[in-house]
Amino acid sequence: DGGITQSPKYLFRKEGQNVTLSCEQNLNHDAMYWYRQDPGQGLRLIYYSQIVNDFQKGDIAEGYSVSREKKESFPLTVTSAQKNPTAFYLCASSFNLGTSGGEQFFGPGTRLTVL
Amino acid sequence: DAKTTQPNSMESNEEEPVHLPCNHSTISGTDYIHWYRQLPSQGPEYVIHGLTSNVNNRMASLAIAEDRKSSTLILHRATLRDAAVYYCILRDVGFANAGGTSYGKLTFGQGTILTVHP
Repeated sequence: DGGITQSPKYLFRKEGQNVTLSCEQNLNHDAMYWYRQDPGQGLRLIYYSQIVNDFQKGDIAEGYSVSREKKESFPLTVTSAQKNPTAFYLCASSFNLGTSGGEQFFGPGTRLTVL
Repeated sequence: DAKTTQPNSMESNEEEPVHLPCNHSTISGTDYIHWYRQLPSQGPEYVIHGLTSNVNNRMASLAIAEDRKSSTLILHRATLRDAAVYYCILRDVGFANAGGTSYGKLTFGQGTILTVHP
């Protein structure tokens, strides 16, 4: 089945540790995205990538890093510089469709708790 | 980014139609109107999108005002599985990179919490 997978579903880390969240898609999508969601709030864009080996900062990139070495994979590292990392993290992907409205497909999310 | 305004919450009875409003008075001519919904502890799910004309798909209908400053998502017969947070989003057409492609940034607001009563 085609889709987006994120692992793990729940993640606990001690304060000051870096942690990497996995995101894999087999939809042959060019673009991939990372969002953060806090309780009762909408999603905020952290990073996005349109093609392999290229990525851009979103609205709240500070304290995060990404890589895009393969089309299928877009891991997110939450560094110790992120001041409030506890949140629900969502990965998404889509085709690059020029000026048409293209839908984004979302993964199930990873809930990160920093103790 | 253009902003949208939605009611915080709405309620409906099962099997009845639901009309979810969205105001976007500052919409630009190239903004698409997207709707997503999110169930608790899950990722958002695409519902529908449009530019100027009304749109229908298997999940819902999207009615867009003639001046495009507002839109309404219509669920024709609500079911318990339709209970979710519904987001109305204006999609930034984005920019073209050197390869000639572009992407559209989605800016999520707080959405409307839809409760469906049996």
